[in-house]
Amino acid sequence: DVKVTQSSRYLVKRTGEKVFLECVQDMDHENMFWYRQDPGLGLRLIYFSYDVKMKEKGDIPEGYSVSREKKERFSLILESASTNQTSMYLCASTPGGRGRETQYFGPGTRLLVL
Amino acid sequence: TQLLEQSPQFLSIQEGENLTVYCNSSSVFSSLQWYRQEPGEGPVLLVTVVTGGEVKKLKRLTFQFGDARKDSSLHITAAQPGDTGLYLCAGAKSDSWGKLQFGAGTQVVVTP
Repeated sequence: DVKVTQSSRYLVKRTGEKVFLECVQDMDHENMFWYRQDPGLGLRLIYFSYDVKMKEKGDIPEGYSVSREKKERFSLILESASTNQTSMYLCASTPGGRGRETQYFGPGTRLLVL
Repeated sequence: TQLLEQSPQFLSIQEGENLTVYCNSSSVFSSLQWYRQEPGEGPVLLVTVVTGGEVKKLKRLTFQFGDARKDSSLHITAAQPGDTGLYLCAGAKSDSWGKLQFGAGTQVVVTP
């Protein structure tokens, strides 16, 4: 069975803290994605990776960075958390290729920045 | 700016009624997907449509891709409480490395 796991379901952090969100997939997928989901805005792409050590900016990369040292693991880093980064963060993966594949999502991490 | 506009934003109906959710864009997509998301979970794929004018049925759900591949609709017949969820449409452009543009979603609530 396809599985994408995220390191935490809920996180509470303080403004200025460095925050790490981890995502692991067990399907040997090439592509991995990080989204944030806010009410009325849907899912917005932060970063994606199509191979180990490869990354590309999505639509809203400001304030975030990513790391993909191993194929199965994709980390999202908030260098200095701010209150406007309070959101639901979703990780997803696809087998590879250039579209039409199913995106498999993790359960999400709800982050609150105080 | 949302590339994909979904309407309505919220829909509350009684069990047994029919409903339609719309997904519109001024852009052409090579494929369009519909996902359903339940509280506390990530979205799960329902269907992918790739050909203009295509109609796909999944039990009581009917999905249509517009002839010009700019819009799509999801119709649910005789809705049940288990259909409750956030419905998201997502479009892919050709050669997009699997990247999707998501609509804002339609929250559907079906009460018994």
